[in-house]
Amino acid sequence: AQSVTQPDIHITVSEGASLELRCNYSYGATPYLFWYVQSPGQGLQLLLKYFSGDTLVQGIKGFEAEFKRSQSSFNLRKPSVHWSDAAEYFCAVARGSTLGRLYFGRGTQLTVWP
Amino acid sequence: EAQVTQNPRYLITVTGKKLTVTCSQNMNHEYMSWYRQDPGLGLRQIYYSMNVEVTDKGDVPEGYKVSRKEKRNFPLILESPSPNQTSLYFCASSSALVETQYFGPGTRLLVL
Repeated sequence: AQSVTQPDIHITVSEGASLELRCNYSYGATPYLFWYVQSPGQGLQLLLKYFSGDTLVQGIKGFEAEFKRSQSSFNLRKPSVHWSDAAEYFCAVARGSTLGRLYFGRGTQLTVWP
Repeated sequence: EAQVTQNPRYLITVTGKKLTVTCSQNMNHEYMSWYRQDPGLGLRQIYYSMNVEVTDKGDVPEGYKVSRKEKRNFPLILESPSPNQTSLYFCASSSALVETQYFGPGTRLLVL
């Protein structure tokens, strides 16, 4: 069964607009949560991660994400998108019971209009 | 410079011809992993290793082998490649099981 769901395959926003990318996970206990970004032809780079503590986490490049246990969600946000943010974004989850296993969502492709 | 390197970056081969994709990291990381990326499927874990001589299966281990004889190296072996193994492969490493993973640049494999 899929452990991580990214409902939006493709999102298009205008430069300067706000952005929210959705991520839902299925796991009973608190998971370890990550957001990675992949620029065209590149490997993956970590944007931010949540293990415990403050549910609002700040990452690189002006991104933030909020862990909501009640909704099993870890949505990624950015208040003002830049053209260079165009990329594919992946949410990933690790479970405490099987720490070596990392489950990725299918990704959300972000297009930014000038 | 801290990095994960993979070789080759691009490979075209034929069905049944054994191949190895090498992965090496210079960060003294215990944990290494292999993923394949296919359009619309995201990344799926093939195998991971928690330290030298310790490996375990991920989501899609069929048709692949790995070994971890040295801490820095984690090669991926396809004993008899098939066309359904055509994919983009990533190696990653991290200092702990649940910690930031550093990804290599990827190896694009085409099996004819």
